Amino acid sequence: DAGVTQSPTHLIKTRGQQVTLRCSPKSGHDTVSWYQQALGQGPQFIFQYYEEEERQRGNFPDRFSGHQFPNYSSELNVNALLLGDSALYLCASSFPGAGDNEQFFGPGTRLTVL
Amino acid sequence: RKEVEQDPGPFNVPEGATVAFNCTYSNSASQSFFWYRQDCRKEPKLLMSVYSSGNEDGRFTAQLNRASQYISLLIRDSKLSDSATYLCVVSLIGGFKTIFGAGTRLFVKA
Repeated sequence: DAGVTQSPTHLIKTRGQQVTLRCSPKSGHDTVSWYQQALGQGPQFIFQYYEEEERQRGNFPDRFSGHQFPNYSSELNVNALLLGDSALYLCASSFPGAGDNEQFFGPGTRLTVL
Repeated sequence: RKEVEQDPGPFNVPEGATVAFNCTYSNSASQSFFWYRQDCRKEPKLLMSVYSSGNEDGRFTAQLNRASQYISLLIRDSKLSDSATYLCVVSLIGGFKTIFGAGTRLFVKA
């Protein structure tokens, strides 16, 4: 049973560029959440997708956008990259029927903005 | 004030020690509570859910006090392999939004 997968594993971009990160949820999961984790900090909630729609959003600017596809996979897009966007981006999947809403995380994409 | 606050750490303890982590949350609408473990440069993984009645999993005991909006994790008989960052996690009603604390780093020494 494949877990959550993310691509790419590492990415280097320059300020002002745009980036797209990809995530495939764990088999049987239909909800995908994205997080940004800066060095030494806990993951910060960006948004959650369910049924191809953004269901909830954290305190992130509109430069951060996403998409969920019919197969439940998801993309995170960040426009006009800033140095401060350098972080580990984590994708987590869950199944709404799970009473405790346990989330399973992918290995993350490490983004460096120069 | 942060929505979820944890002891800043790090905690440096010898093998066999008992260590306790504390966490407070500010949103009374919080419904689900968890402790996640994150190893260096790895993704977070669920350690245990936290229930109002308190729950135990081997050497790990979690407690929740809804009135005080306080969560704790107790690790008994610490092992070298327990060295990691422990993240206190709170989900709002419906699980639509999950808030992580900054984490508490634990170092267990031989």
